[in-house]
Amino acid sequence: DAGITQSPRYKITETGRQVTLMCHQTWSHSYMFWYRQDLGHGLRLIYYSAAADITDKGEVPDGYVVSRSKTENFPLTLESATRSQTSVYFCASSELPSYQETQYFGPGTRLLVL
Amino acid sequence: QQPVQSPQAVILREGEDAVINCSSSKALYSVHWYRQKHGEAPVFLMILLKGGEQKGHEKISASFNEKKQQSSLYLTASQLSYSGTYFCGTALDMNYGGATNKLIFGTGTLLAVQP
Repeated sequence: DAGITQSPRYKITETGRQVTLMCHQTWSHSYMFWYRQDLGHGLRLIYYSAAADITDKGEVPDGYVVSRSKTENFPLTLESATRSQTSVYFCASSELPSYQETQYFGPGTRLLVL
Repeated sequence: QQPVQSPQAVILREGEDAVINCSSSKALYSVHWYRQKHGEAPVFLMILLKGGEQKGHEKISASFNEKKQQSSLYLTASQLSYSGTYFCGTALDMNYGGATNKLIFGTGTLLAVQP
């Protein structure tokens, strides 16, 4: 089915482990985004990408790494997970720049770091 | 830079109206409104752009006051399906005539519509 998907949907890991969250979209959208959502903070941008091989930091990039070798994929890696990274992670994509176009969100990945 | 939303929460009866506000301390190029139901992803409602252009659902109305850097979302004759958390996302206006390519979201307004 066309759309934007995330995997895994749920993940439990331990402090210090590396974790990779996957995001895949079938629309060939140029722009892709990673957000985390925590109670009381709303959605906060971690990283975004304007095209393959072009990425930039958002509001809260520390502890995260992204790559975008293909237009349709935008994986997010937690290099050494910490408890403060327990959150719900949303991937989003848009055809045009954010300021003029809607973003379409994936279903989210719920991550628990023990 | 995070926009301030008000109220933080509101409870309505079916058929009542509500207004949700979003205010920024920075000049804005556009304001985006999303609704999120519990356990689900945010869903697009509307974009309001500098200069007056709007894109979104026909049944949703909103305003954007560029000078005051404020936007309001108007929910009229509310239905049970309107329940959820509403977020505004703001794209900042840059001096050179462009805008930032990232949205800064407010902390949300929880709306509960009761029968």
